[in-house]
Amino acid sequence: ETGVTQSPTHLIKTRGQQVTLRCSSQSGHNTVSWYQQALGQGPQFIFQYYREEENGRGNFPPRFSGLQFPNYSSELNVNALELDDSALYLCASSVRDRVTGELFFGEGSRLTVL
Amino acid sequence: GENVEQHPSTLSVQEGDSAVIKCTYSDSASNYFPWYKQELGKGPQLIIDIRSNVGEKKDQRIAVTLNKTAKHFSLHITETQPEDSAVYFCAAEPYNTDKLIFGTGTRLQVFP
Repeated sequence: ETGVTQSPTHLIKTRGQQVTLRCSSQSGHNTVSWYQQALGQGPQFIFQYYREEENGRGNFPPRFSGLQFPNYSSELNVNALELDDSALYLCASSVRDRVTGELFFGEGSRLTVL
Repeated sequence: GENVEQHPSTLSVQEGDSAVIKCTYSDSASNYFPWYKQELGKGPQLIIDIRSNVGEKKDQRIAVTLNKTAKHFSLHITETQPEDSAVYFCAAEPYNTDKLIFGTGTRLQVFP
């Protein structure tokens, strides 16, 4: 069973640039959620994708957008990067309409905005 | 809005002692309460979870209790070992949303 994989693991951008982060969900999972984890904080929900559509969104501006592909993999795009966007971005996969509710997290992509 | 408070923020214990981390949630409709362990440079890993129809759940040295009336839930680790050292997060899921609201984390250090 393949776990959740994310790429890249680390990246550095400058203010105003755009970034795309990628996630491959765990085998058999059809739902992908993205979380932002600032240093020393708990993860904050950005949004979730199910059946290639956004299915719930947290308190993040529209410059945070995403995609889910037919193979259930996903991308997180952030436009017009700001310094406060520096964080660990976590992808988590799960099975919609499941009983257990367990989210499986990847190791994250650490974004630094200078 | 939905909120989860977690304390303490840091906890140091001697190997073999017990550790307790407590969380309080605000949304009474929450029905799923997982606990995650996050080691340095890694993503959170689920260690135990509990649903709102259960008051207590145990898995070897780890146990979780839930008090729905008070909206409290706690993680108990017995016979702590140095490899238990990590940051622990509690979370709550508002009913049927697949969205987790995380606490701010507890850094647990277990000294040999």
